[in-house]
Amino acid sequence: GNSVTQMEGPVTLSEEAFLTINCTYTATGYPSLFWYVQYPGEGLQLLLKATKADDKGSNKGFEATYRKETTSFHLEKGSVQVSDSAVYFCALSMNNAGNMLTFGGGTRLMVKP
Amino acid sequence: NAGVTQTPKFQVLKTGQSMTLQCAQDMNHNSMYWYRQDPGMGLRLIYYSASEGTTDKGEVPNGYNVSRLNKREFSLRLESAAPSQTSVYFCASRGWGKNIQYFGAGTRLSVL
Repeated sequence: GNSVTQMEGPVTLSEEAFLTINCTYTATGYPSLFWYVQYPGEGLQLLLKATKADDKGSNKGFEATYRKETTSFHLEKGSVQVSDSAVYFCALSMNNAGNMLTFGGGTRLMVKP
Repeated sequence: NAGVTQTPKFQVLKTGQSMTLQCAQDMNHNSMYWYRQDPGMGLRLIYYSASEGTTDKGEVPNGYNVSRLNKREFSLRLESAAPSQTSVYFCASRGWGKNIQYFGAGTRLSVL
């Protein structure tokens, strides 16, 4: 079956530090890849996505590149802010009728001033 | 801009009690989903409804039932709650031909 593996957290960084959260996947076929973010007390929001190999998704200073050869979709940001503190989920979906999402376990990011 | 609305936000049940979690979306989306979120396990799909009138099991359906009442509403029912069902439950919806799901704010359920 399909699966997503993320680095375990929590990840604690100082403001303006560089962020990387690793994500690798296993899938039969060619999935679409997503990063969702969950702020405290809220539901998940789509942060960025990529639908085919070598696509780069970007939003709010975050970036991730769909790497088919390494089955990875690592999330990066050059300079984090306190407001980026949240839980980040990597996910995939196969482009079928159900379009169900398979999630990684989530990585909590804490940014200190 | 309500999006996906879930009720209630919090609920405490005793073992064996029943309850229904409600979800409604106002985006005219065809597909709706119920997930549970447990620490370190991400979100796992309980049931989904690809379109009005259809429902299918996801990864962890045991102990739950669902009803797609109409295009807007998709409810999740626990007939006899167990402590293992203590979790945060999220409803999501997706438009036809799109691959982005939109999530509600969640229902935090504790079963004692």
